[in-house]
Amino acid sequence: DTAVSQTPKYLVTQMGNDKSIKCEQNLGHDTMYWYKQDSKKFLKIMFSYNNKELIINETVPNRFSPKSPDKAHLNLHINSLELGDSAVYFCASSQVSPGQGAYEQFFGPGTRLTVL
Amino acid sequence: GDSVTQMEGPVTLSEEACLTINCTYTATGYPSLFWYVQYPGEGLQLLLKATKADDKGSNKGFEATYRKETTSFHLEKGSVQVSDSAVYFCALSGSTSYDKVIFGPGTSLSVIP
Repeated sequence: DTAVSQTPKYLVTQMGNDKSIKCEQNLGHDTMYWYKQDSKKFLKIMFSYNNKELIINETVPNRFSPKSPDKAHLNLHINSLELGDSAVYFCASSQVSPGQGAYEQFFGPGTRLTVL
Repeated sequence: GDSVTQMEGPVTLSEEACLTINCTYTATGYPSLFWYVQYPGEGLQLLLKATKADDKGSNKGFEATYRKETTSFHLEKGSVQVSDSAVYFCALSGSTSYDKVIFGPGTSLSVIP
């Protein structure tokens, strides 16, 4: 059973196109995240949703729009794709319990986006 | 703000060599500390964690001790294997918000036979 799944695994597209990446988790977690990993493996958080509500929105161009139809799904839509958007995008989920100690993030396998 | 610093890679070791990857952090409050590992072509997965000072996390032969006095959480393994080749990320959470995890820049490890 896959805990956090993403589709597609690879996405190759032209500049200016609009694309979406889907993420689903079957762990029953409350919180989901999108991260961007660049070619040097640096990981940057983009968004976080808790029970379908946006709680973290880092400095990300507004061409990126997350959507959470329910707490098991967090999709990422990207408008007007640019060359610099090429990266690996990871979805993750966790159960956040303030005051309860450490929590683990579970990552999906990643979506490699290539913009030509 | 909170931050995590790791030793720069890439690190190349021969099989059965000892490994240390340094990690230091800056945080207010009392964060939890983590090491994540990313094998080629995969997502990150938790390797070990420690939630309070002097705790030692361990898994798969790897260890790290939460040192509050030196704000460090160095990753160690006594004898590495080729299968340990991966990128290792030090991370913290829970300093001021449990919603966010701060990741270090990652250290790439290659183990050669």
